Amino acid sequence: DIQMTQSPSTLSASVGDRVTITCRASQSIGTWLAWYQQKPGKAPDLLIYQASRLETGVPSRFSGSGSETEFTLTISSLQPDDFATYYCQQYNNYIYTFGQGTKVETK
Amino acid sequence: QIQLQQWGAGLLGPSETLSLTCAVYGGSLTDYSWNWLRLAPGRGLDWIAEIDHKRRNHYNPSLKTRVSISLDTSKNQFSLNLYPVTAADTAVYYCARGRHGSEFAYFDYWGQGVLVTVSS
Repeated sequence: DIQMTQSPSTLSASVGDRVTITCRASQSIGTWLAWYQQKPGKAPDLLIYQASRLETGVPSRFSGSGSETEFTLTISSLQPDDFATYYCQQYNNYIYTFGQGTKVETK
Repeated sequence: QIQLQQWGAGLLGPSETLSLTCAVYGGSLTDYSWNWLRLAPGRGLDWIAEIDHKRRNHYNPSLKTRVSISLDTSKNQFSLNLYPVTAADTAVYYCARGRHGSEFAYFDYWGQGVLVTVSS
């Protein structure tokens, strides 16, 4: 299995902050990476696919970058609605695997 | 607008069968794959199984001996069975549509989730 490791596990931030989350793959996955946002009691929402492509309807303050084994999700100016848990997912092969999640909480 | 609505028993005893169904509204089952995933307490998301409209399926090897996924095109539904369950299978189970940018998928529409608890 390809292991996905996110850092940090928890991130404390304030509204307006620039936030960056890192996801590392245990082997090269090209750009076959997606990012999701999940709020308590809700299903995950797709934010970004193919490492940097913004899903329709997702605010432009979200962006993704990276390739091979290292990827980042950036929120350019954190908004109140952005406090949530974020997951990365690789789809380079079966088995699809996810990072353990990064919880963005209020500082 | 695509909607996925899922249902199934929420409380099971050890060694019973977990059965969940997901109905797809507002879209066809073709051109996408249909998946089950779960989020267990203290763990991240785990992918369980995938099926496409030709009924080709793939399973997570960690669950392969206990799980089966099926598709009912007449009802626009797909289902998951897991047997036998243990306490380690306690989780929120999600159905999701897989969109394929390559041979493999990411997940663009999700069901609402069903909490399944395994307890004696």
